[in-house]
Amino acid sequence: DAGVTQSPTHLIKTRGQQVTLRCSPKSGHDTVSWYQQALGQGPQFIFQYYEEEERQRGNFPDRFSGHQFPNYSSELNVNALLLGDSALYLCASSFMPGDDQPQHFGDGTRLSIL
Amino acid sequence: AQSVTQLDSQVPVFEEAPVELRCNYSSSVSVYLFWYVQYPNQGLQLLLKYLSGSTLVKGINGFEAEFNKSQTSFHLRKPSVHISDTAEYFCAVNTGKLIFGQGTTLQVKP
Repeated sequence: DAGVTQSPTHLIKTRGQQVTLRCSPKSGHDTVSWYQQALGQGPQFIFQYYEEEERQRGNFPDRFSGHQFPNYSSELNVNALLLGDSALYLCASSFMPGDDQPQHFGDGTRLSIL
Repeated sequence: AQSVTQLDSQVPVFEEAPVELRCNYSSSVSVYLFWYVQYPNQGLQLLLKYLSGSTLVKGINGFEAEFNKSQTSFHLRKPSVHISDTAEYFCAVNTGKLIFGQGTTLQVKP
């Protein structure tokens, strides 16, 4: 039973560039959430996708956008990268978007901005 | 808005000693609480969850947590820790999105 998989594992970009991160949810899950974890901090919620629509959004600028595909996989896009976007980006999946649904995490994509 | 506070940033403890990691949350009508563990260079792994029912929740790796509504706490405990328990631990409340505390680094010393 495959868990949540994310790609790539590491990425190095320069300021102003654009990046796309990918996530495949755990088998049987249909809801995908993205989190940003800065060094030494707890993860911060970016947004959540269910039925190919953004359901909730955290306090992140419009430079952060996403997409969910019919097979439930998801992408996170970040435009006009800033040094402060350097972080571990975590994808989590669950069955349905309810408050009582445990979210299962992938190992993340480490994004470094030079 | 919901919030989570982890009261200790670092907890050093000797191997085979008991440990408690403290977590307080802001109150709400309904609360769904979780503890996650993060090993170096990895994602978060679910340790245990409180949804309803018994206030004592047992999780993986010998961890347990107690939900205390009057004190708005959800402290994590283990009676005897191992070196392999060294990791970052996060308490979180689920409001449809997970709101995490700042994390507690558990350092188990031989």
